[in-house]
Amino acid sequence: KQEVTQIPAALSVPEGENLVLNCSFTDSAIYNLQWFRQDPGKGLTSLLLIQSSQREQTSGRLNASLDKSSGRSTLYIAASQPGDSATYLCAVSEDSSYKLIFGSGTRLLVRP
Amino acid sequence: DVKVTQSSRYLVKRTGEKVFLECVQDMDHENMFWYRQDPGLGLRLIYFSYDVKMKEKGDIPEGYSVSREKKERFSLILESASTNQTSMYLCASSFVQPQHFGDGTRLSIL
Repeated sequence: KQEVTQIPAALSVPEGENLVLNCSFTDSAIYNLQWFRQDPGKGLTSLLLIQSSQREQTSGRLNASLDKSSGRSTLYIAASQPGDSATYLCAVSEDSSYKLIFGSGTRLLVRP
Repeated sequence: DVKVTQSSRYLVKRTGEKVFLECVQDMDHENMFWYRQDPGLGLRLIYFSYDVKMKEKGDIPEGYSVSREKKERFSLILESASTNQTSMYLCASSFVQPQHFGDGTRLSIL
């Protein structure tokens, strides 16, 4: 059964720092991987989606990479800002049914 | 922009009640999903639907049912609410991917 793990569970950094969030999955036979952001008391916002044939995706200050063979993905945030403070979740889809399997998330705090 | 609207942000019900959570999307998406989110357990899929009147069980369907009579509306039903169903419930919709989420309903069962 696929399991998705995110470490660390929480991270606190000063403003301006570049940072990396980690996601690992146990079964490399994935269809795609997504990164989401969740603000307190809110739903999820999709940040980046990487298809299984891709190695990375970029959007603004965010870059997500995928290494299927090792079962890992990273989300790189450049020049972090207090507005980046949120919980970041990764999720994998194993087939075209689009069902997602989520990690428990990393709670990020960017200190001014 | 896609809008997924959940009818209530907060809901308090009593054990044994039949509870309805409503979700409406405005983008003509085929796929709709219901998740619950609990601390330490993450998001877990309860049910999903890939077309009107079509549904499939997710990972934790016990104690829940769903209804999709119209394409834009997906309802989650707690047949007889219990305290272990106190949770944050999130609805999502998609054409392919990514999924677009509502703001959630925080449900408390007393």
